[in-house]
Parts: sequence; structure tokens; C-alpha cells
Amino acid sequence: GESVGLHLPTLSVQEGDNSIINCAYSNSASDYFIWYKQESGKGPQFIIDIRSNMDKRQGQRVTVLLNKTVKHLSLQIAATQPGDSAVYFCAERAGNNRKLIWGLGTSLAVNP
Amino acid sequence: NAGVTQTPKFQVLKTGQSMTLQCAQDMNHNSMYWYRQDPGMGLRLIYYSASEGTTDKGEVPNGYNVSRLNKREFSLRLESAAPSQTSVYFCASSDLAGGAETQYFGPGTRLLVL
Repeated sequence: GESVGLHLPTLSVQEGDNSIINCAYSNSASDYFIWYKQESGKGPQFIIDIRSNMDKRQGQRVTVLLNKTVKHLSLQIAATQPGDSAVYFCAERAGNNRKLIWGLGTSLAVNP
Repeated sequence: NAGVTQTPKFQVLKTGQSMTLQCAQDMNHNSMYWYRQDPGMGLRLIYYSASEGTTDKGEVPNGYNVSRLNKREFSLRLESAAPSQTSVYFCASSDLAGGAETQYFGPGTRLLVL
């Protein structure tokens, strides 16, 4: 399954499928990008990050892809599990400014 | 390590009442942040403290004050609560390591202003 945009879309996938969550960022000067996962009733939890000098970074079951040409970031989750159900946020940072600019989030629902 | 802790977990206030939200981190991080999260609006930065002794306004500072009490603690004060301040408040901390700066979040304080 795949989602697009910043207006809290909902992505529904079957357990075991791969998920792709997309994010369009705003600032061409942003040099650092992060994905967070937020489960219901909890604070956001760091998943993976990537710097602008890279276009791909892999973690455990997750991959982040960065396309600076079109200012697009995506999070791929392999073999999606029920525990992956959450809202996923992308965030960007420009330079040494400690402020993160947050997207509105995408809700991922995993069907057993 | 407890990470980032916040108190209280829940609070109900009447309009005009004041309260202070407490936040502490045990990761020896230099930077701390206060966010609010409202449905459909993601996370919005209220104030942040890049290091002990400094504080700066974020995106939505009106109606709030902060105090960086020491390196561990960063409090958020509502002097005269308004219904528009009903929200979930998150504290976070971070440190710069290898050019990356991951923010670690507390569990949140759910505030209802009547």
C-alpha cells in the first residue's frame, strides 16, 4: 500500500505486505530528515533518519528514501506487522537550527 | 534510564487557572523542547531551550512561559488557561551527535481547559 501527502491520510495494508508512506517536505535547504512513529496514547518514537548527502538508508525492516530533486521522502516498511499500526510523521531540519518542521502524519492500519 | 518524564499525565483546568507542566530528562541532553499536538495539526513547537540558561520561542508561544531550571528540567507554565489550550503537550530532549540530532519524547500531558 502507498499514501501521498501531508493531510493525515490513512493507509490500510494487510499483515505481511510492504507499506510505503510518503512525505513532501517544504524547504530545499533542509539537510536532515527523520521519521517518527506514534502509537495511540504515546509520545513519538524515533524510527530512522537520513542526511541530505544520502538518498537511501536502511534499518531493521525499514528503509528511508530521499529524493531532493522533488523534495520527497518515503518510509518503506517490509513485512508489515500489527505492531506497526500507528501514525507516522516525517520531520525536516535546515542547518544547525534545532527546530524540526513536522508533517501532519499518516495513519497506518495493519489488517490481520 | 527513564528517558524523558512528564508530570502530570492528565489535568483538567477551568478557564483562567494557572498550572505548570514539568519535564525532566536523564540523558544529559543539552536541548529540550515543548510541543503541543492537536488533531489534524501534527506537532507544533511552543518553546525550546538549546542549552541550559537559554530559551527561545517556537511556532506557537503565546499564552505560555518556560523555565530551564537546570540541564535536566524544563517546565512549561500556563498563566491563565484558555479553552484553546486544550491539547496534548509533549516534552522532548536532544543532543547533537555526529551531525544528527534525534529528539526523544516523553509520554505527554493531556490537558483539558473548560
